[in-house]
Amino acid sequence: DAEITQSPRHKITETGRQVTLACHQTWNHNNMFWYRQDLGHGLRLIHYSYGVQDTNKGEVSDGYSVSRSNTEDLPLTLESAASSQTSVYFCASSESKGQGSRSNEQFFGPGTRLTVL
Amino acid sequence: QKEVEQNSGPLSVPEGAIASLNCTYSDRGSQSFFWYRQYSGKSPELIMSIYSNGDKEDGRFTAQLNKASQYVSLLIRDSQPSDSATYLCAPFEQGSARQLTFGSGTQLTVLP
Repeated sequence: DAEITQSPRHKITETGRQVTLACHQTWNHNNMFWYRQDLGHGLRLIHYSYGVQDTNKGEVSDGYSVSRSNTEDLPLTLESAASSQTSVYFCASSESKGQGSRSNEQFFGPGTRLTVL
Repeated sequence: QKEVEQNSGPLSVPEGAIASLNCTYSDRGSQSFFWYRQYSGKSPELIMSIYSNGDKEDGRFTAQLNKASQYVSLLIRDSQPSDSATYLCAPFEQGSARQLTFGSGTQLTVLP
């Protein structure tokens, strides 16, 4: 069955370190997204990609970067981790075909809980 | 700044009752609307989608959309303790953004 996976599921790191969170989907979806979820803020979009070599900044992109070298993967990198980046990170994917299409639905991975000390 | 407002929780209903979850959105360009359920410690799971004004029923769930009022709701009939979760409203803009904007969610507790 097609799925979307994230790794690691839990990560503890120190301030200033570079951290990369992996996201892999086997849906063959064009669109991939990274969100962070914090109490009181809901899900906030960090970066997104509509295809290979395409990346875009979301609402809270400062301190994060992504790259898309293939359809299946969109790794999220924290260049220099900060305590404010302690959060739960979700990757999602979708295939967008047009208005009203069910393929606008986003499917979420299991999440990565990141703690920056 | 696109805004999505959901009724403040937490919301508690007795088992068997109807739970009503409400959502208003600011972006008139939104064309598709999704409801996600998120259990504590888990990822969001899509449970309903609605694209046209009116009601859409799927089992015990009914989504209602009124684009003129920029309002979408989710009704859960015969609520069960297993429905206890946070429900996220997410309008989708089909234009250049092609993004979901999530509300902060309403926490629902169904009391046995």
